[in-house]
Amino acid sequence: GQQLNQSPQSMFIQEGEDVSMNCTSSSIFNTWLWYKQEPGEGPVLLIALYKAGELTSNGRLTAQFGITRKDSFLNISASIPSDVGIYFCAGQLRSGGSNYKLTFGKGTLLTVNP
Amino acid sequence: DAGVTQSPTHLIKTRGQQVTLRCSPISGHKSVSWYQQVLGQGPQFIFQYYEKEERGRGNFPDRFSARQFPNYSSELNVNALLLGDSALYLCASSSRDPAKDTQYFGPGTRLTVL
Repeated sequence: GQQLNQSPQSMFIQEGEDVSMNCTSSSIFNTWLWYKQEPGEGPVLLIALYKAGELTSNGRLTAQFGITRKDSFLNISASIPSDVGIYFCAGQLRSGGSNYKLTFGKGTLLTVNP
Repeated sequence: DAGVTQSPTHLIKTRGQQVTLRCSPISGHKSVSWYQQVLGQGPQFIFQYYEKEERGRGNFPDRFSARQFPNYSSELNVNALLLGDSALYLCASSSRDPAKDTQYFGPGTRLTVL
């Protein structure tokens, strides 16, 4: 099945550093979502973006919906050990039709060294 | 309020067997979607139901089927299991038409096919 291009695949950083990850698609979405998944858990929604160009923050997390509607990025500032996990981007095409599935990237594995 | 619940947590089956996975959405949510997550990949869309009607189907064989009950809970059935069906099966719910609302995930059911 289709998956979005998410990079980097993994990151190993020191506590306190900033993190940036991004997601690109060959097709347009009108909603971008960022989820975090920890071992043995389902993905937890972090940020939802509904408009091209939208910049949204949730605490130390900031995400933007690209102007072309084919990309999005997520930044984490001042990382802490509990930021460890796999971060997934997901695109959704909401239209008048049906099948509002989420299309996911392969994930970015974040490791934070205390 | 309780989140999305799924049962069982873990399941071990052998090739050729059949399996039924269950999902209860967040109270008040009317839409349920099913995703398959193979190790190291992002979730892949299988089915979506809204108000007990199938809204969409991903690129999965006919061995996969699902249904939604009047109380909005859902079951995913997989027949003639293959080794490649081993994965984490995730259920997500949203409150209204999934075109208008965000999907929230349960913890998943880990299926192992031997």
